[in-house]
Amino acid sequence: DGGITQSPKYLFRKEGQNVTLSCEQNLNHDAMYWYRQDPGQGLRLIYYSQIVNDFQKGDIAEGYSVSREKKESFPLTVTSAQKNPTAFYLCASDAGGTGELFFGEGSRLTVL
Amino acid sequence: AQSVTQLDSQVPVFEEAPVELRCNYSSSVSVYLFWYVQYPNQGLQLLLKYLSGSTLVKGINGFEAEFNKSQTSFHLRKPSVHISDTAEYFCAVSYNTDKLIFGTGTRLQVFP
Repeated sequence: DGGITQSPKYLFRKEGQNVTLSCEQNLNHDAMYWYRQDPGQGLRLIYYSQIVNDFQKGDIAEGYSVSREKKESFPLTVTSAQKNPTAFYLCASDAGGTGELFFGEGSRLTVL
Repeated sequence: AQSVTQLDSQVPVFEEAPVELRCNYSSSVSVYLFWYVQYPNQGLQLLLKYLSGSTLVKGINGFEAEFNKSQTSFHLRKPSVHISDTAEYFCAVSYNTDKLIFGTGTRLQVFP
């Protein structure tokens, strides 16, 4: 079945360490997105990519970086510059035309 | 700026009672509307969507929503809820096929 796979599901890191969250899709979608979710704040857009080798900052890009070397993959790196990285991270892809998003199962990052 | 408002952060309801989750969006000539559901520690799953045509949209799990252009609303309803409907529900809007804008979510808590 087609879908979006995020890994790891749970991740712990120490302050000052970078961590990379994986997102892979086999839906053949061009656009991919990363969201951050905090309790009571809904989903906030970190980065998005509408085509391979191109990406744009979302509303809260500071302290994060991404790459889009392959259509299927859109990894997110949470850098040590991110002041409050503990959150639930969601990856999504876009079928195109309507804005409808398909989501992965999410990755929960906890910084100790 | 374009926006989506979910007026209720939490909605408690007893099992088998009807429920309505409210969603309003800022006015625009062309919108696509979505409701997503999120169970704990999972990604978002599409409940239903309005793209065009009939203003009453039926989705999965017995949910339905009505697009009201004059009131710029897209409220979600279910005539009889189950314990298993306990989850967070997000309204989202795409303006002119641009990327989705999410509301802050409504937590539906169903009690026996």
